[in-house]
Amino acid sequence: DIQMTQSPSSLSASVGDRVTITCRASQSISSYLNWYQQKPGKAPKLLIYAASSLQSGVPSRFSGSGSGTDFTLTISSLQPEDFATYYCQQSYSTRRTFGQGTKLEIK
Amino acid sequence: EVQLVESGGGLVQPGGSLRLSCAASGFTFSSYSMNWVRQAPGKGLEWVSYISSSSSTIYYADSVKGRFTISRDNAKNSLYLQMNSLRDEDTAVYYCARDIGGIVGATFDYWGQGTLVTVSS
Repeated sequence: DIQMTQSPSSLSASVGDRVTITCRASQSISSYLNWYQQKPGKAPKLLIYAASSLQSGVPSRFSGSGSGTDFTLTISSLQPEDFATYYCQQSYSTRRTFGQGTKLEIK
Repeated sequence: EVQLVESGGGLVQPGGSLRLSCAASGFTFSSYSMNWVRQAPGKGLEWVSYISSSSSTIYYADSVKGRFTISRDNAKNSLYLQMNSLRDEDTAVYYCARDIGGIVGATFDYWGQGTLVTVSS
């Protein structure tokens, strides 16, 4: 299976900060990489698909980049509602796998 | 409005069985592939199984292969997960998720609220 490794596992930041989360695949996955946001007690929400395409309705402060094995999710200016856990997911293999998650907390 | 509503979770003993259902509405269910994804308490997301729109293609995670069976009834707009030989480590919230990708490019754009399965004696 393709392993997805996110860094950092947790992150403290302040409202207005620019934040970057990294996801690395154990082999090349082209641009088959999605990002999700999950808040406590809620289902995940799709933010970015195909590495850099913004899902409809998602604020433009979220952006994604990368290809091959290295990917990033960037939040340009953190808002209070952005404090959550973020997961990457590869869709290259028929065995879809997620990263372990990055918990974004308020500093 | 797209809605996915899971049901069927509960407490079951190790070695037991449970059948989860996911009722879909607000979209043409028969046109979309579907997935089950689970999340153990306090843990991350784990993909469990995939079924294509016509049920012709099915995949499972190694952790459930041979024990779980995914199926769907397009006439009833419903997705199912039959879980047999349940283990403690199957304890999780189980989500159904619509897939707007394909065999390659799986992308989960809508999720249900989840149903909790607890495996314990």
